Amino acid sequence: QSALTQPRSVSGSPGQSVSISCTGTSSDVGSYNYVSWYQQHPGKAPKTMIYDVSKRPSGVPDRFSGSKSGNTASLTISGLQAEDEADYYCCSFAGTFWVFGGGTKLTVL
Amino acid sequence: QLQLQESGPGLVKPSETLSLTCTVSGGSISSSSYYWGWIRQPPGKGLEWIGNIYYSGTSYYNPSLKSRVTISVDTSENQFSLKLSSVTAADTAVYYCARQYSGSSLTDYWGQGTLITVSS
Repeated sequence: QSALTQPRSVSGSPGQSVSISCTGTSSDVGSYNYVSWYQQHPGKAPKTMIYDVSKRPSGVPDRFSGSKSGNTASLTISGLQAEDEADYYCCSFAGTFWVFGGGTKLTVL
Repeated sequence: QLQLQESGPGLVKPSETLSLTCTVSGGSISSSSYYWGWIRQPPGKGLEWIGNIYYSGTSYYNPSLKSRVTISVDTSENQFSLKLSSVTAADTAVYYCARQYSGSSLTDYWGQGTLITVSS
């Protein structure tokens, strides 16, 4: 199975909004509302920011939001802050297994 | 507070079998609400889902690794384990164990990760 497709990098200035796309197929993203997004700082374990397309775990700021249209899911971060600089990964259910995206490096300018 | 801790040898020789254990503390691995999984990350690269297991023993694997992977659960020890056979340098990675809600894409607890190097 192929990894989900994410842009390698995105950037934005503090206070701005950025979106990260995650493109899959009709066998994964397009078929299930089981898309999650993870934030990973260097040397740290991933942290779940969004699950089930658009739900936020307890403690995650509402600056983080998720959506899905067809085979593409998106993570939007509004009011960018310096601490949002990290790698972001999407993940989708694909029937009997899970597939990750290749990751996107977010730079806060 | 739930904690997950990976343990195993940091160095494995090519063609041998990599074995890791994840010990769960602060909660029961026998809960019907969760799957227990393994994810890895080669140095400088992205995340790769390896597989997961339910407390009953039902397991699911990444199709690209399925022929080499076995995940098992020991409810008496509150542990689950990963075995990856015929390893090569491409299996060098940080290996994470994690807890995922059944019927959801929420993974709420992760281990700190352990680096496994495949080298002779």
